[in-house]
Amino acid sequence: DTEVTQTPKHLVMGMTNKKSLKCEQHMGHRAMYWYKQKAKKPPELMFVYSYEKLSINESVPSRFSPECPNSSLLNLHLHALQPEDSALYLCASSPGGARSSEPYEQYFGPGTRLTVT
Amino acid sequence: AQKITQTQPGMFVQEKEAVTLDCTYDTSDPSYGLFWYKQPSSGEMIFLIYQGSYDQQNATEGRYSLNFQKARKSANLVISASQLGDSAMYFCAMRVGSSNTGKLIFGQGTTLQVKP
Repeated sequence: DTEVTQTPKHLVMGMTNKKSLKCEQHMGHRAMYWYKQKAKKPPELMFVYSYEKLSINESVPSRFSPECPNSSLLNLHLHALQPEDSALYLCASSPGGARSSEPYEQYFGPGTRLTVT
Repeated sequence: AQKITQTQPGMFVQEKEAVTLDCTYDTSDPSYGLFWYKQPSSGEMIFLIYQGSYDQQNATEGRYSLNFQKARKSANLVISASQLGDSAMYFCAMRVGSSNTGKLIFGQGTTLQVKP
């Protein structure tokens, strides 16, 4: 099973709302990732968790707050977003921890399309 | 600097024909991996094929093959017998093995349209 699931599929929120995106994998992967993708552009890395610890934050604004409650779950908490934060948010996981020297492939979820009004 | 370059913003191919999508990379690290992903309009990034920097043979996965030319730093994706369902955006990506970051570096992507 090479499945990464994400909920919700679509989300519309106002600039004063608080919402969360959820990502789940049951492949025993030790690294999990959040990406942001604008239309017709490549994904941009936001955060990396390795063995449930935050290992990379790509200078993401504090209105995005990641959380890794356990090795299968990854959340992204959203608060006071701006319209320019509207994008496709992709979660991914890979077998090795992020410190592994093996170039393991990353498996992506279907994404959450976020619209900030 | 580590970089992936995809020079073809858009490509057309006739159904059942083969097509090559170009990708060049730049890294000074001897250990790296090269990946191709397909992204249909639905948004999901689908892993297609992987080539390691020390692999002697070109990777193949069904109708996908990776033409790996290490000296030229190129990793072109070849899709044989194109199907209508191959219409999508294709991303070439690189992960550097010794970076300890797990970070994928993506190219700008190539939009492929398969004509019936």
